[in-house]
Parts: sequence; structure tokens; C-alpha cells
Amino acid sequence: DGGITQSPKYLFRKEGQNVTLSCEQNLNHDAMYWYRQDPGQGLRLIYYSQIVNDFQKGDIAEGYSVSREKKESFPLTVTSAQKNPTAFYLCASSIGEGSTDTQYFGPGTRLTVL
Amino acid sequence: QKEVEQDPGPLSVPEGAIVSLNCTYSNSAFQYFMWYRQYSRKGPELLMYTYSSGNKEDGRFTAQVDKSSKYISLFIRDSQPSDSATYLCATGISGSRLTFGEGTQLTVNP
Repeated sequence: DGGITQSPKYLFRKEGQNVTLSCEQNLNHDAMYWYRQDPGQGLRLIYYSQIVNDFQKGDIAEGYSVSREKKESFPLTVTSAQKNPTAFYLCASSIGEGSTDTQYFGPGTRLTVL
Repeated sequence: QKEVEQDPGPLSVPEGAIVSLNCTYSNSAFQYFMWYRQYSRKGPELLMYTYSSGNKEDGRFTAQVDKSSKYISLFIRDSQPSDSATYLCATGISGSRLTFGEGTQLTVNP
């Protein structure tokens, strides 16, 4: 089955720790995205990547880092510099970068900082 | 001011009601309009996609775009409890990224 997988589904982190969220797609899509979702804030773009080995900051990139070494994978690291990391994180992909391309979302990872 | 405004609700209706969900946007250059449905603790799924003013129907769902008023709507006919979810509008310009509304939480009561 084609789709986007995210792991883990739930993640708990102690303050001061870095954590990495996994996102894998087998849709052969070029573009991948990371969003953060908080109550009352909708989806906010963290980082996006149009092609392998290239990525751009979104609206709220501070405290996050990404890599795009493979077309299928776009992991997100939440660093200790992120002041309020507790949120629902969504990964998405599309054929190419742009609003003309439908974005398909993964099931999400809920991160909680203890 | 947000580029896309969406009433967060919550909106509660009885089963069988017609539901109207709405968004306004500020950028007249926006060309593409989408509605996503998100069940609790799940990722959003695309429901409707349109790029022109007017109506687009898909079963019980109708997406309506009025570019002159910068207003987009989603109508759900004969609403069902399974329609209970958060509905997100999204819009953007060709070659650029999507901008999402904050979502409207809908509950359809049996």
C-alpha cells in the first residue's frame, strides 16, 4: 500500500533532550513537509523539501532541524532549543512543491515534553 | 491578520442537518482551494479540491468558491455522525505552498 508513515505515534521527551521524528513515504513524491498543529493555531509549516539534499525553513523553524538524504525519508529533529515542543506533528508529501499539488498527510506523532 | 480565517467552532448539529463551513482569505492571488477532513488524533485527508469560482459537488459534499468576495465554503448535506471531525480549508498560489485555516470542529449528533 502506498502512503506516508510516521513513527512513533506517541513520544515523550524530557526537557533538554533532542528527539527525532520519522517520516517515510513510498508515493515517489518529490516534495515533503513538516507541520506542527496546536489547538487554535491550525497547521504551521516548520520545514519543507522539494528535492533530495535541499530543504527550506517554514514559518516556525527555530528549534527544529531536518535532513533529506533520501527521497523517501524526511526526519525532523526537535532540539532542546525549541521552547514549547509539546504538539502534534504532521508530515506530508506532494508530487512537487506547490499548491497545485495535493498534499497527503501521515498519521502524525504526538510529542509530549515531561 | 491571518491570510486565511476560519471560525474554529465548535459546531454541533443533529443528524441529517445541512452543515455550512466557511473560510475567508485576504490574498486575491490565491488560485487553488482545498478542504481537508481530520478525525481526532489522525492526519488530515483531502476531501475537496477546486481552482475556480463556483460549485463543485462530490456526493454529499459541495465546495463553493467566490473569488470576488474571497470566500470559500463547504456544504455537507444529510450530515452523519461519521462526519464528526475537524475541517480545514487550505489555499495557495501556483508554485507556492499551501496556507491552512485553523480548522472548524464539527460534531453531528445521532
